[in-house]
Amino acid sequence: AQSVTQLDSHVSVSEGTPVLLRCNYSSSYSPSLFWYVQHPNKGLQLLLKYTSAATLVKGINGFEAEFKKSETSFHLTKPSAHMSDAAEYFCVVSDHLSGNTGKLIFGQGTTLQVKP
Amino acid sequence: GAGVSQSPSNKVTEKGKDVELRCDPISGHTALYWYRQSLGQGLEFLIYFQGNSAPDKSGLPSDRFSAERTGGSVSTLTIQRTQQEDSAVYLCASSAEGTTDTQYFGPGTRLTVL
Repeated sequence: AQSVTQLDSHVSVSEGTPVLLRCNYSSSYSPSLFWYVQHPNKGLQLLLKYTSAATLVKGINGFEAEFKKSETSFHLTKPSAHMSDAAEYFCVVSDHLSGNTGKLIFGQGTTLQVKP
Repeated sequence: GAGVSQSPSNKVTEKGKDVELRCDPISGHTALYWYRQSLGQGLEFLIYFQGNSAPDKSGLPSDRFSAERTGGSVSTLTIQRTQQEDSAVYLCASSAEGTTDTQYFGPGTRLTVL
């Protein structure tokens, strides 16, 4: 079965310091992996996606993620946190085992707190 | 352009009542998905439409849940005889033909069953 595990339920950083949100995946196939962000009372927004092209993926708002097959990881990073980055972040894998439906499997989420 | 819209944004109902939740996908998007976000279960897939047919209903939690899509556009998720455990945010997403990996989400409907 395909799955993703977000290693931290809550991460707290100071404004201007680096952000690291960790995600490990489990997949028998070459996975499609995503990071989504959800701001309070807002919908889910796609930050970035990996679909077997370049292993370092750049997304919106300065975020990037690196696909590491040897470590089965897809960690999300940002060099310098802004107050506006405070939100819930979801690591997601596309379920290719059920055919080409595009069904998404979500991790449990990581709440990012940014302190002034 | 317009994104995915959902209505109502909030719905409060009494246990045992039926509810209908509506999703308007992005115009031209052929694929439509329903997900549920709840405190205990996180975000979970419910059903997938390609056009008007639903080739994957595997996430519907019980036969009280059903969904339909008409004209390849609007979709309605119906929950019959609601239970308190149905309380959650119901999210709809759509994607364009050939790009099911890139899903655009609506703001969700928050359902509270008293």
